[in-house]
Amino acid sequence: QSVLTQPPSASGTPGQRVTISCSGSSSNIGGNTVNWYQQLPGTAPKLLIYSNSQRPSGVPDRFSGSKSGTSASLAISGLQSEDEADYYCAAWDDSLNGHVVFGGGTKLTVL
Amino acid sequence: QVQLVQSGAEVKKPGASVKVSCKASGYSFTTYYIHWVRQAPGQGLEWMAIINPRSGTTTYAQKLQGRVTVTRDTSTSTVYMDLSSLTFEDTAVYYCAREGVVRGNFDYWGQGILVTISS
Repeated sequence: QSVLTQPPSASGTPGQRVTISCSGSSSNIGGNTVNWYQQLPGTAPKLLIYSNSQRPSGVPDRFSGSKSGTSASLAISGLQSEDEADYYCAAWDDSLNGHVVFGGGTKLTVL
Repeated sequence: QVQLVQSGAEVKKPGASVKVSCKASGYSFTTYYIHWVRQAPGQGLEWMAIINPRSGTTTYAQKLQGRVTVTRDTSTSTVYMDLSSLTFEDTAVYYCAREGVVRGNFDYWGQGILVTISS
């Protein structure tokens, strides 16, 4: 069972906006920033959003992130077929000498 | 350009150990922490360990304490992850990842190493 809680699946049609939630606690999301990763089948994860809402160079502005209290969310607008992937949230956790915690992942299907 | 190149796939028997490597290039090796993350087949991501390449200081996941050891060789810009007393549950793809400017954020990943535990 993952420390951060994500819905196992999400779906949308091309052009739609979808959101994926991520819930944690005061020791992780509540006190640290949230990062989001996209993992296409058979590939390594790729950093999509860091520091709650920042996009690395090259990530389309269709992807956005936000955080409030101990929860965070990833929004994808103008959904495209190539967005079909697994999405993971992650955060530093201050307990147990510090470590990284992940959500269980959300499989996004573009219908 | 920043690259993390990992060693090749491994097949090990239960009870054995495995040592995999992650060679960094394209940046100052001692400036950025390196993490190890694994992913069992069809499962999510699991954080394993972090090393400060400058000092060699490490922190391990509580679940793996006593079985995992991460070291580095600054002369070759390589980080090693040694996992002992392997069980079938250790079958996974093992990734190294560089921590960027923000704590716990992984801006570059290795290609992954499939470690299979099979009798």
